[in-house]
This record gives sequence, structure tokens and C-alpha cells, in this order.
Amino acid sequence: EPEVTQTPSHQVTQMGQEVILRCVPISNHLYFYWYRQILGQKVEFLVSFYNNEISEKSEIFDDQFSVERPDGSNFTLKIRSTKLEDSAMYFCASRGLLRGQPQHFGDGTRLSIL
Amino acid sequence: DAKTTQPNSMESNEEEPVHLPCNHSTISGTDYIHWYRQLPSQGPEYVIHGLTSNVNNRMASLAIAEDRKSSTLILHRATLRDAAVYYCILRGIYNFNKFYFGSGTKLNVKP
Repeated sequence: EPEVTQTPSHQVTQMGQEVILRCVPISNHLYFYWYRQILGQKVEFLVSFYNNEISEKSEIFDDQFSVERPDGSNFTLKIRSTKLEDSAMYFCASRGLLRGQPQHFGDGTRLSIL
Repeated sequence: DAKTTQPNSMESNEEEPVHLPCNHSTISGTDYIHWYRQLPSQGPEYVIHGLTSNVNNRMASLAIAEDRKSSTLILHRATLRDAAVYYCILRGIYNFNKFYFGSGTKLNVKP
């Protein structure tokens, strides 16, 4: 069964550094998402992306965040100047075009900011 | 998307059926009911979804009340691997954007 893959599984970065989290969505999917989950808290929506542009973003997704689909297979989340509070699990998800279809999630990247 | 209400936690014995309830009294006619689960240290995993009729798949069954104000996720024989947080999420048919994850139901399965 096709799946969403995320790399790396764990990223350790110094505060203030830039980090790029990578995702390979399911190949025929057209909608892409990033979510995050701070340890012990709920899964929170960050951004959705369709047709090479952001379709919705949350308050968390401020100017330090950006997303990109640099080629036909990858979907990336960049955090420009990381803060301690960015430490969390980051999940990528994708879904197909038909209405009502579910989102499929990757297993996440654990981001640790030191 | 309308709000859902789930119990904080439930417990089950291994190899017994589990019925996980969800209330969604403000559901609209175009809201799909989605169920996801999250095992420890993993991403949310799609379980099942439906609109009006009951649904079955290899993982579970979804029973939807006739008035659609509630639904029940049924795991026919719980295994230890089914211990997870289960989320009931409503999603408008025309909403291609975010899922809102509440607190879900933490299911504990006893051997």
C-alpha cells in the first residue's frame, strides 16, 4: 500500500538555525499538508498546499515557515530561524482529488531545538 | 466543520469487541465522519470514514446513527496493537483543507 514518507526521522538543530523537513507524498495525490504535535499535546494544523500554492494556513504558520514543492515528488517545510518552542513532531499528509477522501499521514520528523 | 465529543479514555480486554462512541450533534448534511488513530510515536493513521451508511473495512466498522448526530467505531476483536488514541473528525465534503484533531479517546487494551 502506498504511503507518505518523511525524512529525517529525527533532526537536532541549534536555535536560530534553518531546518528543512522533507516529505514524499503518495504519488497521485494533489493536496499536501503539514501538521505538528508538541509532546503531550494535540495534533495541530500548520498549512495546506494545492496547485503550487498555500490554500490555508494556521496562526502558527508565521513568516519563519515556508513550504515548497521543488519537484514532482517532494514537499518540504522550511523553518528559517528555529526557536526552542519549535521542538515537536512534524507530520506531513497528502490526499487525492476526489471529495471526501481521507488524508494519509507520514510517521513524522521529530525536531529537537537545542 | 462541526465539533465532536468523545470520551477521554476507554478500556478493553484483548480479543473482545470495542465500541468507541462519538457525538456530533451539529453535523451538517455534507459532513463526512472520519476516524483516525495514533499509535505511540507514530503519525495519525486513517481508519475509516463514511457519510450516511454504515461502513466496513479490514480495520474496523463504522456505525452511523440514523440522524447522523452520533457514530460508533467498532473494532471487532481488539488486539494489543489497537491501543492508541482514536480521533473522530468531521470534514465538509467541499473542505479540502485542515483536519481538526481534538483530544480523542485513549484506548487501553488489557491482555
